[in-house]
Order: sequence, then structure tokens, then C-alpha cells
Amino acid sequence: EAGVVQSPRYKIIEKKQPVAFWCNPISGHNTLYWYRQNLGQGPELLIRYENEEAVDDSQLPKDRFSAERLKGVDSTLKIQPAELGDSAVYLCASSETGANTGELFFGEGSRLTVL
Amino acid sequence: DQQVKQNSPSLSVQEGRISILNCDYTNSMFDYFLWYKKYPAEGPTFLISISSIKDKNEDGRFTVFLNKSAKHLSLHIVPSQPGDSAVYFCAASRGGSNYKLTFGKGTLLTVNP
Repeated sequence: EAGVVQSPRYKIIEKKQPVAFWCNPISGHNTLYWYRQNLGQGPELLIRYENEEAVDDSQLPKDRFSAERLKGVDSTLKIQPAELGDSAVYLCASSETGANTGELFFGEGSRLTVL
Repeated sequence: DQQVKQNSPSLSVQEGRISILNCDYTNSMFDYFLWYKKYPAEGPTFLISISSIKDKNEDGRFTVFLNKSAKHLSLHIVPSQPGDSAVYFCAASRGGSNYKLTFGKGTLLTVNP
């Protein structure tokens, strides 16, 4: 069974430039999450989707971050414009709807470096 | 304010010995706790969990202990193997919202052959 797939794995951009990350969750997993992990920290939730609906985006900095999951499968996270402090690993995860076990399946992450 | 704390950034043990990783939390509303393991350049993977109605959960070489009065949990790995070398994250959630995990900063475990 294929895991959570993310791309790109690495991205280096200059500040004020836009960047986008893509995620394809495990087949059949209707719940999708975007987490951000800063260096030396644990992951922090940015947004959670149930199918195509963003049910929790309270931690998403909406002035520059946006996300979409148009068909309820893959998802895109965008930053525009990027700032130096956005350098981090962006992790996508998925889980079975209603599982409620806290067991999330993470992708390998997209490492962003903003210069 | 760090609600989940892993005060040891690193731990080194010999192969075959016990590894004990500790985690403290401050939010008394947390009622579900998990451990995730992360290898370099990979995403975290779920290891083991425990509900607040229990004080121990065991899965093979891994056991998690929960002390609610002390707001403390620990992960025991016995016997430790070199392949266990990774960063271990403690995570917590509350009120049935088990998707919204609050993670600690992680502890780097190194198991020496």
C-alpha cells in the first residue's frame, strides 16, 4: 500500500517569492492534515480537512498561507509571499475518518528554505 | 507555553539495555497520549498510544506508562536495538479530538552496538 506522497522534497526560494507543496494521502483516507515542523521542535497542526472541507484552520496564518483540497483527495498548501521565518519542514498526514485513534500517517515532508 | 515537554534532548544507551524516554504535560484536559518515532528525512510514524483511563500499555518491546497525578508518561524500550535509534516524539490530545495532536520537541535516542 502506497503511503502519503509529498512533493517537492526540498525547496529553496528567496523571501517574498511564492511556494506550493502538494500532498496525496493514503487511498481511502478522507482526513488530511498539514503540519509544520520548525527546527528542533515538534510538528504543529496548520489545517485539517475532512474530505474537501477545512474543519480546523485555526492555526493557519491566513494572511500568507492558503490550502485547498478541491476533490477531497490530494491537497496543496501555498505560501505567498514567503518570509524567512517560514523555513521549516511541511508535513502532510492522513488518517481514516472516524478512527479517532490519533494514529496519523505522515509523508516524508517538504523542507523549505527561505533565503 | 509548551504543553507537552520532553526535557531530555538526547539519550544514549547500549544495545540490549532498557531505554526510558520521558514526557511531561501541563494541560489536565489531555486524555490521550501517543509516541511517534522519526528517522532522518522521513515523516514521523506512530509507535504506541495510551488512554487516560489506563496506566500502562504494552506492545512487544515497547511499553508506555502513564502517571496522571504527576502528569507524566514514559516510553520503555526493552531490549534496545540499534534500529531503535531515532527521534521520539511524545504527543497528546484531548476530548475525543484525537486528530489535534500537541507534540513535544522530541528526544534523540542513540542505541550503541
